[in-house]
Amino acid sequence: DAGITQSPRHKVTETGTPVTLRCHQTENHRYMYWYRQDPGHGLRLIHYSYGVKDTDKGEVSDGYSVSRSKTEDFLLTLESATSSQTSVYFCAISEWGGETQYFGPGTRLLVL
Amino acid sequence: AQSVAQPEDQVNVAEGNPLTVKCTYSVSGNPYLFWYVQYPNRGLQFLLKYITGDNLVKGSYGFEAEFNKSQTSFHLKKPSALVSDSALYFCAVSSDYGQNFVFGPGTRLSVLP
Repeated sequence: DAGITQSPRHKVTETGTPVTLRCHQTENHRYMYWYRQDPGHGLRLIHYSYGVKDTDKGEVSDGYSVSRSKTEDFLLTLESATSSQTSVYFCAISEWGGETQYFGPGTRLLVL
Repeated sequence: AQSVAQPEDQVNVAEGNPLTVKCTYSVSGNPYLFWYVQYPNRGLQFLLKYITGDNLVKGSYGFEAEFNKSQTSFHLKKPSALVSDSALYFCAVSSDYGQNFVFGPGTRLSVLP
């Protein structure tokens, strides 16, 4: 998986609790992305980063925030989890925007 | 705006037969086109890409794809399907404008023994 790890790999939480997912890369790629994958919706971009402290919204950013304080780490936070955020979350990296993206193994999140 | 269509939700093919998974796209600028495969409970794996050059691109596991500019298509092909090719396949597009990826909805390929 191209030097990308995600933690945790599985998480069960309750509605209203904060949740943080971590993506860590060892490739020194500039761009990092968070996607969610849901049946019938394919992959949808939540947020992405084009450098340390540089982030932007994707198509489904409501209810999510991100931070990138180091090149290798990109954090996704659900401030107050809702059942609609039950999903599989994938992190991806690329050398520049538009170039090949490489994906992590995913985090399966269940919000009860 | 960029968009990708994969007109078939499901493709069934017999083992040993050729397979095709279809993809059409819309993009501003010159397209960069990609195919990914996803096995159950795994992340997406990069198969191949077209940026420029020869319209026929060869990738991993014996897959290839043909870029057709006039038809705005980038169909994935393999001459002889294996049962192990059964998976979910995604087409994606970006462009030389540096835009982010747009993924198609995915096509589930089933190769029957």
